[in-house]
Amino acid sequence: GAVVSQHPSWVICKSGTSVKIECRSLDFQATTMFWYRQFPKQSLMLMATSNEGSKATYEQGVEKDKFLINHASLTLSTLTVTSAHPEDSSFYICSARVRGGEAFFGQGTRLTVV
Amino acid sequence: GENVEQHPSTLSVQEGDSAVIKCTYSDSASNYFPWYKQELGKRPQLIIDIRSNVGEKKDQRIAVTLNKTAKHFSLHITETQPEDSAVYFCAASWWAAGNKLTFGGGTRVLVKP
Repeated sequence: GAVVSQHPSWVICKSGTSVKIECRSLDFQATTMFWYRQFPKQSLMLMATSNEGSKATYEQGVEKDKFLINHASLTLSTLTVTSAHPEDSSFYICSARVRGGEAFFGQGTRLTVV
Repeated sequence: GENVEQHPSTLSVQEGDSAVIKCTYSDSASNYFPWYKQELGKRPQLIIDIRSNVGEKKDQRIAVTLNKTAKHFSLHITETQPEDSAVYFCAASWWAAGNKLTFGGGTRVLVKP
């Protein structure tokens, strides 16, 4: 199957700093990628849809100025958590679908803000 | 938007028994229904999916059924094994919603040896 690679797999940062997470489709081109957040023992909540060459579409309640998404190429989308605070600590995971079919997920990034 | 409800939230079964997880969805336009298995700290892995033009699909010990009229679909795992222990998520999507997946709340399955 298709491969989606996410980096880093875990990161610890200080409160008030920014963290960038990368999501790459390794063997296919993804015009659209999706960013999810998953709190412990909870489901995957869609944060935003990343569109190559255009602005991301954010779900209701997600602050677009806090979670910056850039999708500058067909194989790379980035999520930047700006001015991170402890409540932003979570498991962030990206995915891409191949022509409306199966969704492939990155490994996920565990963010801990101290 | 789409809303997906999943039940039960936890399920404990004896090894060899069957496990059934049920999901309902709200948007009648949804036409793609995948099931994912997620182990602790890992990425979700697709185990089976079904499209709205099919009522049932089977892959070895795993089967999914879809009732479009009632807007619900179910995952059936037969002859459960300890390695089936994980969290299972159902999801729904349709192309006009940008192909985004809406997930159910998840079911934590524990298979007791």
